[in-house]
Amino acid sequence: SQTIHQWPATLVQPVGSPLSLECTVEGTSNPNLYWYRQAAGRGLQLLFYSVGIGQISSEVPQNLSASRPQDRQFILSSKKLLLSDSGFYLCAWRGSPIGETQYFGPGTRLLVL
Amino acid sequence: SQELEQSPQSLIVQEGKNLTINCTSSKTLYGLYWYKQKYGEGLIFLMMLQKGGEEKSHEKITAKLDEKKQQSSLHITASQPSHAGIYLCGADIRGGTSYGKLTFGQGTILTVHP
Repeated sequence: SQTIHQWPATLVQPVGSPLSLECTVEGTSNPNLYWYRQAAGRGLQLLFYSVGIGQISSEVPQNLSASRPQDRQFILSSKKLLLSDSGFYLCAWRGSPIGETQYFGPGTRLLVL
Repeated sequence: SQELEQSPQSLIVQEGKNLTINCTSSKTLYGLYWYKQKYGEGLIFLMMLQKGGEEKSHEKITAKLDEKKQQSSLHITASQPSHAGIYLCGADIRGGTSYGKLTFGQGTILTVHP
């Protein structure tokens, strides 16, 4: 069966510090991968998606970047964190065929001070 | 304005009562997904609807997609404290080569009092 992991679970970082959040998927090949941010515990905003290794599309202009160095690994990064980057970051995966369900990881809570 | 509107934003019910959460879009819903979330945790997939008029049930939760594919409802029968959490609808409103990108509603916070 498929499993999705995210780490760390919680992170407290000072403003201006770098960031690296990792997401890995097990039990599937060539998944579509997604990074979402959830603010104030409510709706999700899509940040990035990837349909293959090295293929990244950004949905909104921001201080963050994403990379996909391996088929089942998706990384969210920043060179210098802003206060507004605080939030709950969720990674998700989906199989390639249209209509496949999107499954979410446990999330990383980021607090920038 | 939100592309997906969920209502109500919050709901408090007594255990055993029925309740309905709505998700409305001004655009065609090519795929509609319902998720449940406990605070600080990931989203748990509940159901996916794709065809107009489609209805699916799992235990005491039923979801429907209207014929025009612009509105979905989630109905819980005889609610229990275990149903409490945040319910989110997510939808593919772009169709075609959207690569599965989902737009989400703002969520409905459900509280069930014993």
